[in-house]
Amino acid sequence: SQQGEEDPQALSIQEGENATMNCSYKTSINNLQWYRQNSGRGLVHLILIRSNEREKHSGRLRVTLDTSKKSSSLLITASRAADTASYFCATGGNAGGTSYGKLTFGQGTILTVHP
Amino acid sequence: DGGITQSPKYLFRKEGQNVTLSCEQNLNHDAMYWYRQDPGQGLRLIYYSQIVNDFQKGDIAEGYSVSREKKESFPLTVTSAQKNPTAFYLCASSIRTNGNQPQHFGDGTRLSIL
Repeated sequence: SQQGEEDPQALSIQEGENATMNCSYKTSINNLQWYRQNSGRGLVHLILIRSNEREKHSGRLRVTLDTSKKSSSLLITASRAADTASYFCATGGNAGGTSYGKLTFGQGTILTVHP
Repeated sequence: DGGITQSPKYLFRKEGQNVTLSCEQNLNHDAMYWYRQDPGQGLRLIYYSQIVNDFQKGDIAEGYSVSREKKESFPLTVTSAQKNPTAFYLCASSIRTNGNQPQHFGDGTRLSIL
């Protein structure tokens, strides 16, 4: 079964607006990663946040992690049409757990940014 | 340019036929992975390999087989036992298999049934 669940499933915004996507997970994690997938292409790694971190930035991306609520959010500021893609969260398990050494992906959020 | 190359981009399988998907990386990564992606869904892990001559089953290994004879190569065979093989297959690699590293992906192979 999927560890991460993204919300919303689809998001449609205008260029220049901010886009926020959320990810919830069930078991304890070592880290959480966000990936982007353009239609018909492979995934591209965006950002990794470790379980002892609460917030991380990379350019126009801001990721937060709340381990007490088992949730993360990805914020894309000042969105562009080129940001149109599917976004996935993936969790890496703790040592000793059945998920250790593997990433478990959510079902993704489809983001459409209208010019 | 370092990266992961998957071939072919499109593949068609006849009933009862085995087909092999190629994955090659020149990133010098120890770990490699195969995922299956169905429409509107996330990725599901088929097999992964931490080192040459070693591999482990993922969550949906039935009907698939792999080999890892070289560090650079991790081919996936979709056997006739896989009754619903139509999907987008993605290969990935990472420096190590401890779940703490970003994974680098190829551009996928789309497999369809004739």
